[in-house]
Amino acid sequence: DAGVTQSPTHLIKTRGQQVTLRCSPKSGHDTVSWYQQALGQGPQFIFQYYEEEERQRGNFPDRFSGHQFPNYSSELNVNALLLGDSALYLCASSLAKMATNYNEQFFGPGTRLTVL
Amino acid sequence: RKEVEQDPGPFNVPEGATVAFNCTYSNSASQSFFWYRQDCRKEPKLLMSVYSSGNEDGRFTAQLNRASQYISLLIRDSKLSDSATYLCVVNGGWGTDKLIFGTGTRLQVFP
Repeated sequence: DAGVTQSPTHLIKTRGQQVTLRCSPKSGHDTVSWYQQALGQGPQFIFQYYEEEERQRGNFPDRFSGHQFPNYSSELNVNALLLGDSALYLCASSLAKMATNYNEQFFGPGTRLTVL
Repeated sequence: RKEVEQDPGPFNVPEGATVAFNCTYSNSASQSFFWYRQDCRKEPKLLMSVYSSGNEDGRFTAQLNRASQYISLLIRDSKLSDSATYLCVVNGGWGTDKLIFGTGTRLQVFP
């Protein structure tokens, strides 16, 4: 049973460029959340996708956008990269359940993005 | 004010020591509480959920005080393999899976 996978593992970009990160959820999961973890900080919630729609969003600018495909995999896109976008980007998957407070999230290994 | 605040680290302790981490959260609507462990340059992994009644998993004990909005983690008989960053995590409120993380507390266990 494959866990959450992310690609690429590392990426180097320059300011102003655009980047796309990819995530495949754990088998059987239908919900994908994205987090940004800057050095020395805890992960920060970017947004969550369910049924191919953005369901929740954190305090991130519109430069951050995403997509979820019918097979539940997801992409995170960041436009007009800034130096401050350098971070570990984590994807987490879960299975949406009705009438429950919280659905456990499983994290992928992350993509380390460096913006020069 | 940060939504989740943790003890500043690092904590450097000898093997066999008992160490305690504390955390406070600001959102009274949070319903789910966790401790995650993160090894250097790896993804966070769930260590344990935290319940109001307190819960124990081997050498690890977690406590939650909803009235004070305070969460703790106690590690007994520390092992070298416990060296990691411990993240205090709460969810964003009822019906949301959004996780809010503290900045983490670094633990280094030495021989």
